Amino acid sequence: QKEVEQNSGPLSVPEGAIASLNCTYSDRGSQSFFWYRQYSGKSPELIMFIYSNGDKEDGRFTAQLNKASQYVSLLIRDSQPSDSATYLCAERDSNYQLIWGAGTKLIIKP
Amino acid sequence: EAGVVQSPRYKIIEKKQPVAFWCNPISGHNTLYWYRQNLGQGPELLIRYENEEAVDDSQLPKDRFSAERLKGVDSTLKIQPAELGDSAVYLCASSLDGLAGGNAYEQYFGPGTRLTVT
Repeated sequence: QKEVEQNSGPLSVPEGAIASLNCTYSDRGSQSFFWYRQYSGKSPELIMFIYSNGDKEDGRFTAQLNKASQYVSLLIRDSQPSDSATYLCAERDSNYQLIWGAGTKLIIKP
Repeated sequence: EAGVVQSPRYKIIEKKQPVAFWCNPISGHNTLYWYRQNLGQGPELLIRYENEEAVDDSQLPKDRFSAERLKGVDSTLKIQPAELGDSAVYLCASSLDGLAGGNAYEQYFGPGTRLTVT
């Protein structure tokens, strides 16, 4: 069974520090990986996607993919209180279906 | 560009009653998804449409759930009769798949419908 695993948290990070969120997946056939942010009571919002090994940067966000080790991570630099949310990791399998993790709750402390 | 539109935003019904949710995807998006999300969990796919064809409905409880996307644009998800365990947020998402969408097939979500069954 295809699985995406995330630590549920909460992960507490001081304001201005780097928040590191991790995700592992079981399906070696996965094509693309996605990070979504979900504020309480809101719907998931796409932050980044990555499909090549290595790093992909977008502003304060960096996604890292290591297909050999089957993990993907999201780094948030200069963390702000507004970054406090649940971060969902998802992988797109060979059937174009998204397999979702349960999310990591991130708390940025002022 | 308008995002994914869903209605209603909230619905409270008694068990055994029917309920319907409506979704209008982002213009031009050929793929539409219905998800259910319970508190503290990731979204669970119920059904995926490519244009008007349901290509993945393996997780849809077909004894009480039905969905349609007649003209390949708007979609309706129905539950009849509703059970207490159906209380959740129902999310609609859309994506532009195929060569025009690039490699990622990223999905964009609507605001969701919070269903409470009493």
